[in-house]
Amino acid sequence: QVQLQESGPGLVKPSQTLSLTCTVSGGSISSGSYYWSWIRQPAGKGLEWIGRIYTSGSTNYNPSLKSRVTISVDTSKNQFSLKLSSVTAADTAVYYCARGIGYGGRWFDPWGQGTLVTVSS
Amino acid sequence: DIVMTQTPLSSPVTLGQPASISCRSSQSLVHSDGNTYLSWLQQRPGQPPRLLIYKISNRFSGVPDRFSGSGAGTDFTLKISRVEAEDVGVYYCMQATQSITFGQGTRLEIK
Repeated sequence: QVQLQESGPGLVKPSQTLSLTCTVSGGSISSGSYYWSWIRQPAGKGLEWIGRIYTSGSTNYNPSLKSRVTISVDTSKNQFSLKLSSVTAADTAVYYCARGIGYGGRWFDPWGQGTLVTVSS
Repeated sequence: DIVMTQTPLSSPVTLGQPASISCRSSQSLVHSDGNTYLSWLQQRPGQPPRLLIYKISNRFSGVPDRFSGSGAGTDFTLKISRVEAEDVGVYYCMQATQSITFGQGTRLEIK
């Protein structure tokens, strides 16, 4: 079955760009009508959707983060990536990648295990 | 943004007893295509979220039938008919009708 795994630096300095990659295994990222999302969760808090990319490359972003977010896909590596610019301590969180399934990718399964990113100097 | 509000924020339940979580949206979740994109997720301690219910009341593959969802428009409910120890965790409602937003979560714990 499809599995997702996040990877990237666990520590990012303030004002820099956070970069994460999600590797998809057990299936092709470009097969099927799936959307590939990033979601984050600050410690002890709730979930915040960051944005998503379709296999065609079209993207949708959370309006509150849109000016700082870029999501891209590399079908040759079966990966999709997140870049979040100008980070502050408020961006410290566990970052999850997930596959959007169903009509317009409107529910998520599976999820990656998550990766903790800390923003600190 | 559509704001999702869950109640209660914490729910102590006795094993074998039912549990119920409510989720209210700040506006109707009925999409222009006629569907209502309200789902429920479970997050066990130290784990990523897991899909339980989609489109209000559809149980996802592998989800026990003690979980059920109901509701319409702006008011939705997740019910667990008989709580088991493995149900401990935080439950989130999520809407995907207009962008994607989550409720703040309800912590289910055993009394």
